Amino acid sequence: GENVEQHPSTLSVQEGDSAVIKCTYSDSASNYFPWYKQELGKRPQLIIDIRSNVGEKKDQRIAVTLNKTAKHFSLHITETQPEDSAVYFCAASTRGGNKLTFGTGTQLKVEL
Amino acid sequence: DTAVSQTPKYLVTQMGNDKSIKCEQNLGHDTMYWYKQDSKKFLKIMFSYNNKELIINETVPNRFSPKSPDKAHLNLHINSLELGDSAVYFCASSKSTGVLGEAFFGQGTRLTVV
Repeated sequence: GENVEQHPSTLSVQEGDSAVIKCTYSDSASNYFPWYKQELGKRPQLIIDIRSNVGEKKDQRIAVTLNKTAKHFSLHITETQPEDSAVYFCAASTRGGNKLTFGTGTQLKVEL
Repeated sequence: DTAVSQTPKYLVTQMGNDKSIKCEQNLGHDTMYWYKQDSKKFLKIMFSYNNKELIINETVPNRFSPKSPDKAHLNLHINSLELGDSAVYFCASSKSTGVLGEAFFGQGTRLTVV
């Protein structure tokens, strides 16, 4: 089955710096890659997603890149703010969308 | 207007008891899921249902029995609860097979087995 690896597990940055989180997946049939943000005690919520026919997507301060050949994708957050502090999960969707496999999560801490 | 709602939000129970968690979505989605999030924050899929049919069962013990009476509901019943079942359980829904889209999560049920 699909296996999604995510690095790093924790990431501390200074406010205003950029943060990068990387994921790799194993199933070449996966073709949808969402990123979720989970604040403490809250539900995971989608922040950006990318489909396999696109190499890069940007939404204000966040961007995602996808390298299908290497089977890895990354989340980039620029000009980080304290409210960006949360756990971020990458995921890959396979089997026609019936299964969303998550990475192990990255605890991002943005320090003042 | 809540998109995916699950009840209860907190559940504290003793080992050996049987408990249920209910989930309902009003998004018109026909795929629903149960995920388990352990203390290390890992989000692991347990079940996936499409149009009330079980699609995925990720080697979950048969003490866990999901039930989908209709497309909008996916309940989770757990028999003979064990300490290791303590976790946060999330229900989620998404658009149908082949139309890959965002999964919306419920607020989670924090299950504590004592």
